[in-house]
Amino acid sequence: EADIYQTPRYLVIGTGKKITLECSQTMGHDKMYWYQQDPGMELHLIHYSYGVNSTEKGDLSSESTVSRIRTEHFPLTLESARPSHTSQYLCASSEYYGEAFFGQGTRLTVV
Amino acid sequence: QKEVEQNSGPLSVPEGAIASLNCTYSDRGSQSFFWYRQYSGKSPELIMSIYSNGDKEDGRFTAQLNKASQYVSLLIRDSQPSDSATYLCAVLMNRDDKIIFGKGTRLHILP
Repeated sequence: EADIYQTPRYLVIGTGKKITLECSQTMGHDKMYWYQQDPGMELHLIHYSYGVNSTEKGDLSSESTVSRIRTEHFPLTLESARPSHTSQYLCASSEYYGEAFFGQGTRLTVV
Repeated sequence: QKEVEQNSGPLSVPEGAIASLNCTYSDRGSQSFFWYRQYSGKSPELIMSIYSNGDKEDGRFTAQLNKASQYVSLLIRDSQPSDSATYLCAVLMNRDDKIIFGKGTRLHILP
């Protein structure tokens, strides 16, 4: 069983607030990913990392930022939340050429 | 051309029959391919990985890969109502080592 954890599971927050979504994995995986998924829609890659101090933007433009200071930790930050940021955010990790394992996701609602 | 393409469905299959799900990809040099199952409101769950041309079987699931045709498929034998879900094809892209998902195929198993 994959050990990757996301907190919080659900978050309702007001417009303009700064938020950080946490993602941690205990498998020692080099690669980590953030995907965004609206209900019933496809997964969009918004950020990924090959390892410590490596971060790249994904295919979907996002106003969020990420950091990778430790192998096990890949937080995502929104400096000023807007209703358009309402979505589910899924974190995943993988070995370099292997399959990705997902956390349980954070469902974000910005009011 | 999208990087990973799937028919969005819905695909309706009678209980006990074989469900066949298909996927094509654009990056010819890709070497790693994955099938995930996603229930509504849940995170994607890995079902199969395949890396070599041919078939790979695991219980009721068989993944098939044809790199020359850039085609991956998933067969589900003896379909059960619990197999009703969205099935996501994912490809580890050779050019930049990121995992990209198709839009997913919604599968309905009819009792």
